[in-house]
Amino acid sequence: DARVTQTPRDKVTEMGQEVTMRCQPILGHNTVFWYRQTMMQGLELLAYFRNRAPLDDSGMPKDRFSAEMPDATLATLKIQPSEPRDSAVYFCASGLVPYNEQFFGPGTRLTVL
Amino acid sequence: DAKTTQPPSMDCAEGRAANLPCNHSTISGNEYVYWYRQIHSQGPQYIIHGLKNNETNEMASLIITEDRKSSTLILPHATLRDTAVYYCIVGIQGAQKLVFGQGTRLTINP
Repeated sequence: DARVTQTPRDKVTEMGQEVTMRCQPILGHNTVFWYRQTMMQGLELLAYFRNRAPLDDSGMPKDRFSAEMPDATLATLKIQPSEPRDSAVYFCASGLVPYNEQFFGPGTRLTVL
Repeated sequence: DAKTTQPPSMDCAEGRAANLPCNHSTISGNEYVYWYRQIHSQGPQYIIHGLKNNETNEMASLIITEDRKSSTLILPHATLRDTAVYYCIVGIQGAQKLVFGQGTRLTINP
């Protein structure tokens, strides 16, 4: 049963610390998305990649967030330094062009104190 | 991206059909209608999508009006496990970015 995996599932950290979230997309998928969900803003797209190249990162705060795909099986989202307003659930999703369905991971719940 | 309008919440009795409406009056000719749902504490789950014609799969049916300005997602025999937030999204074909609205919180009552 192919699925998107994310680690860690929960992360509690203190303001100013670096946070790294990891995502393993479904094998063979060529598009990877990072979304963030908060009560106030709902689900927002942060960035997405196709064939490991960034296509759109306009939703991401550039000064502290960075997203990369070191290889086809790993996507990372880093926050440095983290702030309390970054507290949210971060979802990774993957898909395969030309198909329409996106498959979401279970999310990483981040709490910044 | 075209915007969608959905009622914030709906209730449905278990075993009955749940009909979730969505308005997308500014949809473009090449944009599809997608439905996803999010069960509490889980990632969103794809349900169905369509362009013009009505679509059906093992989860649901999608009815799109002829002018494509609105659609209805139908869960034919709702169960308690269908309690979730349902998102109607419009977008182009392929694994493209999704712009989520606030969705409809559907509660299935025993």
